[in-house]
Amino acid sequence: GQNIDQPTEMTATEGAIVQINCTYQTSGFNGLFWYQQHAGEAPTFLSYNVLDGLEEKGRFSSFLSRSKGYSYLLLKELQMKDSASYLCAVSPGAGSYQLTFGKGTKLSVIP
Amino acid sequence: SQTIHQWPATLVQPVGSPLSLECTVEGTSNPNLYWYRQAAGRGLQLLFYSVGIGQISSEVPQNLSASRPQDRQFILSSKKLLLSDSGFYLCAWSTSGSVDEQFFGPGTRLTVL
Repeated sequence: GQNIDQPTEMTATEGAIVQINCTYQTSGFNGLFWYQQHAGEAPTFLSYNVLDGLEEKGRFSSFLSRSKGYSYLLLKELQMKDSASYLCAVSPGAGSYQLTFGKGTKLSVIP
Repeated sequence: SQTIHQWPATLVQPVGSPLSLECTVEGTSNPNLYWYRQAAGRGLQLLFYSVGIGQISSEVPQNLSASRPQDRQFILSSKKLLLSDSGFYLCAWSTSGSVDEQFFGPGTRLTVL
């Protein structure tokens, strides 16, 4: 089966750094995605990791450790507009184009 | 550039009524297409996906069905809605033949009363 765990909610202060963790147990692995979803809107793609290590994209970075089944999304210099849900999703294996999503982490950025 | 459309944006339907949600993609050919449902407090649940015209894979047995009558058109249907069908329905597409990010449509908010 597939299992993806993320914290349900987090709160952080404007200008700070926050790390959102994701652990996964899947029957296979062919990459991990992070999406951002504002309330009432569709998810939008943030990052993709298929090899171990850190991928940096502006204020957002994503890290992957395949041996530990672990990823995190790092958001720097938080802004109020970063308040959203952050979804971790895993592609389970070769030949499969499906994604298994975690329940998402609702991040609230406070002044 | 590619765009994905869904309609309607919101829908309120009585229990037992039929449903038809439509999704179309522009600017790409032979995309993989997906239907998801997002219920309150739950993650995105994959309902159906399609790798080509007439090819539908169902992930969760339920009273919903999907069809792909054209390359860039994906339809979600039900003959009789249940209360538990309420949720946010999202259509998505990805590039055929690769593990690639999925691009989501704006979604349909369905309330079954």
